[in-house]
Amino acid sequence: GQQLNQSPQSMFIQEGEDVSMNCTSSSIFNTWLWYKQDPGEGPVLLIALYKAGELTSNGRLTAQFGITRKDSFLNISASIPSDVGIYFCAGRPSGGYNKLIFGAGTRLAVHP
Amino acid sequence: EADIYQTPRYLVIGTGKKITLECSQTMGHDKMYWYQQDPGMELHLIHYSYGVNSTEKGDLSSESTVSRIRTEHFPLTLESARPSHTSQYLCASSEFSSTDTQYFGPGTRLTVL
Repeated sequence: GQQLNQSPQSMFIQEGEDVSMNCTSSSIFNTWLWYKQDPGEGPVLLIALYKAGELTSNGRLTAQFGITRKDSFLNISASIPSDVGIYFCAGRPSGGYNKLIFGAGTRLAVHP
Repeated sequence: EADIYQTPRYLVIGTGKKITLECSQTMGHDKMYWYQQDPGMELHLIHYSYGVNSTEKGDLSSESTVSRIRTEHFPLTLESARPSHTSQYLCASSEFSSTDTQYFGPGTRLTVL
């Protein structure tokens, strides 16, 4: 079936550092979404991308929809302790499969 | 902020009990979903609905059932809970469009003793 490869699986960084994570697929996607989940809570939508090449920012977060439509990345600049959590990518494949596919998540820890 | 609500937030029950997890949204979304997630792990789709009187099973087999009698309401029921049902259950909704941008509720953490 359809799969998304999300990496890295986990990251341990110092406060103030920049962070980058990405998702790749062997299939073409027409939507890429990035979510953040805090412990015991539901995922919160951070950024939604709908066009190849699209680059969108939300505060210190920036995400891009890859030109090939098979990947997306999320960058966090100048990380702060409240950035801690699990970041999930999700995408909707083009052509028939009409549900979101989720990555396995990137677990981010920020040391003050 | 997405207007999607789940109750209860936490539930601890004994084996064999019947439970219903509530999910409601005020965004007028046609599509609604239930996911099951073990702590810190992947999300697994167990049920979805494209509108009133429409329900489908998801990718992960589940002993739970759902109903969609009203657009805003998508409850999930377990007729006889077992310890293997212990998990977090997340409800989500989206507009009926090609983008499928889903908004999640806060989740229900279920523990079956």
